[in-house]
Amino acid sequence: GIQVEQSPPDLILQEGANSTLRCNFSDSVNNLQWFHQNPWGQLINLFYIPSGTKQNGRLSATTVATERYSLLYISSSQTTDSGVYFCAVVGETSGSRLTFGEGTQLTVNP
Amino acid sequence: ETGVTQTPRHLVMGMTNKKSLKCEQHLGHNAMYWYKQSAKKPLELMFVYSLEERVENNSVPSRFSPECPNSSHLFLHLHTLQPEDSALYLCASSQDRVFTEAFFGQGTRLTVV
Repeated sequence: GIQVEQSPPDLILQEGANSTLRCNFSDSVNNLQWFHQNPWGQLINLFYIPSGTKQNGRLSATTVATERYSLLYISSSQTTDSGVYFCAVVGETSGSRLTFGEGTQLTVNP
Repeated sequence: ETGVTQTPRHLVMGMTNKKSLKCEQHLGHNAMYWYKQSAKKPLELMFVYSLEERVENNSVPSRFSPECPNSSHLFLHLHTLQPEDSALYLCASSQDRVFTEAFFGQGTRLTVV
C-alpha cells in the first residue's frame, strides 16, 4: 500500500516562530488532507489539498502531486497550535483507505 | 453541534463486557468509517461503509462488530475485548469514499481492564 512519511517527528518552537511540516507519499493520490489533533484527541480538518496551494489565516499548504509531497506552513505560531499534525492520503490504488502518516508533534512554548 | 458526533467520549469495560460505540453524522454524507488510534501508532482503518453497505474490513478481529443501520448512524459493537484493544476509536464520514474530504468525530477513549 501507499506509504506516508512525515517530518520532522517532533518540533519545538517559541511563540511567534514560523515552521514547515513535510509529508512525502510513495504513490499518486486522489485525496490529501492535513489534520491537527488536539490534546483531547479530536482531529481538526486543516486542509483538503490533493494538489495546489491553499491558505487559511496563519496556515497554508502546498501539494506538489507530481513530486509526491505536501508542505504545511505555520506562521507566527501560538501556544494553541501545539498538538500533533497528521497528513493523510488516499492513494490511486488504495480504494477508500485514508492512510495516515505518523504525525509531527508540535510544541509551541510561550 | 459538530458534524460528526461520537458517544460515549470515555469508556472503561471489563474483558467479559459487551458495549457499543455510537457515531452520528449530520453532514448528509454517504460513507462512514471506523479508525483505531493506539498509543504511539498511526491511525488504522478498521471498517468502511458506503450507503449502509460494508465495503472494506481491514482484517479486524471478530470481537469488533460494526453496524450501519442508515447512512447517518454507525455503531461498533464490542465484546470479549483484550487489554491491547485499549485505544482511541474515531469515526469519520465523507461524501464519497475517495475524492472528498473526511470529517472526524471527537473519538471514544476506550480502556479495557
